[in-house]
Amino acid sequence: EVQLVQSGAEVKKPGESLKISCQASGYSFTAYWIGWVRQLPGKGLEWMGIIYPDDSDSRYSPSFQGQVTMSVDKSISTAYLMWSSLKASDTAMYYCARPRWNRYDPFDIWGQGTMVTVSS
Amino acid sequence: DIQMTQSPSSLSASVGDRVTITCRASQGISNFVAWYQQKPGKVPKLLIYGASTLQSGVPSRFSGSGSGTDFTLTISSLQPEDVSTYYCQAHNSIPPPFGEGTKVEIK
Repeated sequence: EVQLVQSGAEVKKPGESLKISCQASGYSFTAYWIGWVRQLPGKGLEWMGIIYPDDSDSRYSPSFQGQVTMSVDKSISTAYLMWSSLKASDTAMYYCARPRWNRYDPFDIWGQGTMVTVSS
Repeated sequence: DIQMTQSPSSLSASVGDRVTITCRASQGISNFVAWYQQKPGKVPKLLIYGASTLQSGVPSRFSGSGSGTDFTLTISSLQPEDVSTYYCQAHNSIPPPFGEGTKVEIK
Protein backbone atom coordinates (compact mmCIF):
# COMPACT_ATOMS: atom_id res chain seq x y z
CA GLU A 1 0.00 0.00 0.00
CA VAL A 2 1.30 3.42 -0.97
CA GLN A 3 1.33 5.68 2.06
CA LEU A 4 2.92 8.73 3.61
CA VAL A 5 3.27 8.77 7.38
CA GLN A 6 4.01 12.09 9.05
CA SER A 7 5.59 12.84 12.40
CA GLY A 8 3.47 13.79 15.37
CA ALA A 9 2.07 17.09 16.56
CA GLU A 10 4.53 19.71 17.76
CA VAL A 11 4.23 22.56 20.26
CA LYS A 12 7.02 25.10 20.00
CA LYS A 13 7.89 28.61 21.14
CA PRO A 14 8.49 31.53 18.79
CA GLY A 15 12.08 31.60 17.60
CA GLU A 16 12.61 27.86 18.00
CA SER A 17 13.59 25.59 15.12
CA LEU A 18 11.60 22.62 13.94
CA LYS A 19 11.87 19.75 11.49
CA ILE A 20 8.84 17.62 10.66
CA SER A 21 9.00 14.43 8.65
CA CYS A 22 7.08 12.44 6.08
CA GLN A 23 8.04 8.80 5.55
CA ALA A 24 7.03 7.13 2.31
CA SER A 25 6.36 3.45 1.76
CA GLY A 26 4.88 1.18 -0.88
CA TYR A 27 6.53 2.82 -3.88
CA SER A 28 9.90 3.96 -5.22
CA PHE A 29 10.62 7.06 -3.12
CA THR A 30 13.08 8.55 -5.60
CA ALA A 31 10.69 8.28 -8.56
CA TYR A 32 8.04 10.76 -7.39
CA TRP A 33 8.09 14.35 -6.22
CA ILE A 34 6.91 15.09 -2.66
CA GLY A 35 5.06 18.30 -1.89
CA TRP A 36 4.00 20.21 1.21
CA VAL A 37 0.68 21.95 1.83
CA ARG A 38 -0.21 24.31 4.67
CA GLN A 39 -3.65 24.74 6.18
CA LEU A 40 -4.07 27.53 8.69
CA PRO A 41 -6.72 26.89 11.37
CA GLY A 42 -10.15 27.11 9.76
CA LYS A 43 -8.69 28.18 6.41
CA GLY A 44 -7.97 26.76 2.98
CA LEU A 45 -5.11 24.85 1.39
CA GLU A 46 -1.84 26.54 0.42
CA TRP A 47 0.77 24.90 -1.80
CA MET A 48 4.18 25.47 -0.20
CA GLY A 49 6.70 23.66 -2.35
CA ILE A 50 7.81 20.38 -3.85
CA ILE A 51 11.04 18.35 -3.87
CA TYR A 52 12.33 15.54 -6.06
CA PRO A 53 13.97 12.99 -3.77
CA ASP A 54 16.35 11.59 -6.36
CA ASP A 55 18.38 14.80 -6.69
CA SER A 56 16.72 17.18 -4.17
CA ASP A 57 15.59 19.52 -6.98
CA SER A 58 13.21 21.86 -5.15
CA ARG A 59 10.58 24.41 -6.12
CA TYR A 60 9.05 26.81 -3.60
CA SER A 61 6.00 28.98 -3.75
CA PRO A 62 7.12 32.63 -3.55
CA SER A 63 5.02 32.91 -0.39
CA PHE A 64 7.18 30.32 1.36
CA GLN A 65 10.59 30.84 -0.27
CA GLY A 66 13.08 31.64 2.49
CA GLN A 67 10.57 30.80 5.21
CA VAL A 68 10.95 27.02 5.17
CA THR A 69 13.40 24.46 3.80
CA MET A 70 12.58 21.11 2.26
CA SER A 71 14.99 18.19 2.29
CA VAL A 72 15.03 14.41 1.96
CA ASP A 73 16.92 11.41 3.26
CA LYS A 74 16.79 8.80 0.52
CA SER A 75 18.22 6.09 2.75
CA ILE A 76 15.08 6.10 4.88
CA SER A 77 12.55 7.31 2.25
CA THR A 78 11.76 10.39 4.28
CA ALA A 79 11.08 13.99 3.36
CA TYR A 80 11.44 16.88 5.78
CA LEU A 81 10.09 20.40 6.21
CA MET A 82 12.20 22.67 8.40
CA TRP A 83 11.92 26.06 10.06
CA SER A 84 14.93 27.85 11.53
CA SER A 85 12.92 30.36 13.56
CA LEU A 86 9.22 29.74 14.08
CA LYS A 87 6.60 32.46 14.35
CA ALA A 88 3.13 32.31 15.87
CA SER A 89 1.77 32.70 12.34
CA ASP A 90 3.31 29.29 11.46
CA THR A 91 0.65 27.62 13.60
CA ALA A 92 -1.09 25.33 11.12
CA MET A 93 -1.62 21.81 9.87
CA TYR A 94 1.06 20.72 7.44
CA TYR A 95 0.50 17.94 4.95
CA CYS A 96 3.00 16.14 2.78
CA ALA A 97 1.58 14.76 -0.43
CA ARG A 98 2.66 12.96 -3.59
CA PRO A 99 1.60 14.13 -7.03
CA ARG A 100 0.16 11.67 -9.52
CA TRP A 101 3.33 11.85 -11.61
CA ASN A 102 5.19 15.06 -12.36
CA ARG A 103 5.72 18.16 -10.23
CA TYR A 104 2.71 19.92 -11.74
CA ASP A 105 0.25 17.10 -11.11
CA PRO A 106 -2.38 17.18 -8.38
CA PHE A 107 -1.72 15.26 -5.18
CA ASP A 108 -3.34 11.84 -5.01
CA ILE A 109 -1.53 10.49 -1.94
CA TRP A 110 -1.56 12.52 1.29
CA GLY A 111 0.02 12.12 4.69
CA GLN A 112 -2.20 12.35 7.75
CA GLY A 113 -0.93 15.83 8.59
CA THR A 114 1.28 17.29 11.31
CA MET A 115 -0.20 19.98 13.54
CA VAL A 116 2.35 22.63 14.48
CA THR A 117 1.46 25.02 17.28
CA VAL A 118 3.73 27.98 17.98
CA SER A 119 2.92 29.81 21.19
CA SER A 120 4.82 31.57 23.92
CA ASP B 1 0.87 33.81 -10.79
CA ILE B 2 -2.43 32.19 -11.64
CA GLN B 3 -5.31 32.80 -9.23
CA MET B 4 -8.31 30.53 -8.79
CA THR B 5 -11.62 32.04 -7.69
CA GLN B 6 -14.28 29.68 -6.41
CA SER B 7 -17.97 30.31 -5.93
CA PRO B 8 -20.02 30.11 -3.90
CA SER B 9 -18.01 30.11 -0.69
CA SER B 10 -20.70 27.99 0.92
CA LEU B 11 -23.99 26.37 0.01
CA SER B 12 -26.75 24.41 1.65
CA ALA B 13 -28.74 21.85 -0.34
CA SER B 14 -31.10 18.96 0.26
CA VAL B 15 -30.22 15.31 -0.10
CA GLY B 16 -30.74 14.34 -3.72
CA ASP B 17 -30.18 17.86 -5.07
CA ARG B 18 -27.85 18.60 -7.93
CA VAL B 19 -25.00 20.80 -6.70
CA THR B 20 -22.64 22.87 -8.84
CA ILE B 21 -19.46 24.62 -7.74
CA THR B 22 -17.57 26.89 -10.08
CA CYS B 23 -13.93 27.88 -10.32
CA ARG B 24 -12.52 30.63 -12.51
CA ALA B 25 -8.82 30.90 -13.40
CA SER B 26 -7.20 34.31 -13.82
CA GLN B 27 -5.75 33.13 -17.13
CA GLY B 28 -6.33 30.23 -19.49
CA ILE B 29 -5.10 26.91 -18.15
CA SER B 30 -6.50 24.51 -20.75
CA ASN B 31 -7.94 21.57 -18.79
CA PHE B 32 -5.39 21.57 -15.96
CA VAL B 33 -7.80 21.70 -13.04
CA ALA B 34 -8.18 19.32 -10.14
CA TRP B 35 -10.89 19.12 -7.50
CA TYR B 36 -10.42 17.93 -3.92
CA GLN B 37 -12.83 17.03 -1.16
CA GLN B 38 -11.95 17.66 2.47
CA LYS B 39 -14.33 16.30 5.07
CA PRO B 40 -14.31 18.02 8.47
CA GLY B 41 -11.12 17.16 10.36
CA LYS B 42 -9.86 14.90 7.57
CA VAL B 43 -7.15 14.83 4.93
CA PRO B 44 -7.95 16.26 1.49
CA LYS B 45 -8.87 13.70 -1.16
CA LEU B 46 -8.38 14.06 -4.90
CA LEU B 47 -11.67 13.71 -6.76
CA ILE B 48 -10.99 14.89 -10.31
CA TYR B 49 -7.96 15.89 -12.38
CA GLY B 50 -7.56 17.13 -15.91
CA ALA B 51 -10.86 18.99 -15.38
CA SER B 52 -13.01 15.90 -15.96
CA THR B 53 -11.14 12.66 -15.18
CA LEU B 54 -12.52 10.92 -12.13
CA GLN B 55 -9.88 9.63 -9.72
CA SER B 56 -10.12 5.89 -9.10
CA GLY B 57 -12.70 4.98 -6.48
CA VAL B 58 -14.60 8.27 -6.60
CA PRO B 59 -18.39 7.86 -6.90
CA SER B 60 -19.82 8.58 -10.33
CA ARG B 61 -22.17 11.25 -8.94
CA PHE B 62 -19.15 13.54 -9.02
CA SER B 63 -18.22 15.07 -12.36
CA GLY B 64 -16.10 17.92 -13.64
CA SER B 65 -16.15 20.03 -16.75
CA GLY B 66 -14.66 23.12 -18.27
CA SER B 67 -11.69 24.38 -20.21
CA GLY B 68 -9.72 27.59 -20.45
CA THR B 69 -10.76 29.75 -17.50
CA ASP B 70 -14.12 28.39 -16.31
CA PHE B 71 -14.60 25.07 -14.58
CA THR B 72 -17.34 23.30 -12.66
CA LEU B 73 -17.64 20.47 -10.18
CA THR B 74 -21.06 18.85 -10.12
CA ILE B 75 -22.56 16.47 -7.61
CA SER B 76 -25.52 14.95 -9.43
CA SER B 77 -27.37 13.80 -6.32
CA LEU B 78 -26.10 15.16 -3.02
CA GLN B 79 -25.60 12.56 -0.30
CA PRO B 80 -25.10 13.11 3.47
CA GLU B 81 -21.51 11.85 3.20
CA ASP B 82 -20.73 14.65 0.71
CA VAL B 83 -20.73 17.25 3.48
CA SER B 84 -17.25 18.69 2.95
CA THR B 85 -15.25 21.62 1.72
CA TYR B 86 -14.33 21.36 -1.94
CA TYR B 87 -11.24 22.99 -3.46
CA CYS B 88 -10.21 23.51 -7.05
CA GLN B 89 -6.55 23.68 -8.04
CA ALA B 90 -4.80 24.69 -11.21
CA HIS B 91 -2.14 22.11 -12.03
CA ASN B 92 -0.14 23.41 -14.97
CA SER B 93 2.44 25.63 -13.30
CA ILE B 94 4.46 26.22 -10.15
CA PRO B 95 3.01 27.21 -7.75
CA PRO B 96 -0.25 25.39 -8.52
CA PRO B 97 -2.78 27.51 -6.62
CA PHE B 98 -5.85 26.27 -4.78
CA GLY B 99 -9.18 28.03 -4.79
CA GLU B 100 -10.54 29.38 -1.52
CA GLY B 101 -12.90 26.46 -1.02
CA THR B 102 -16.65 25.85 -1.06
CA LYS B 103 -18.30 24.49 2.05
CA VAL B 104 -21.22 22.17 1.24
CA GLU B 105 -23.82 21.44 3.90
CA ILE B 106 -27.09 19.55 4.01
CA LYS B 107 -30.25 21.63 4.36
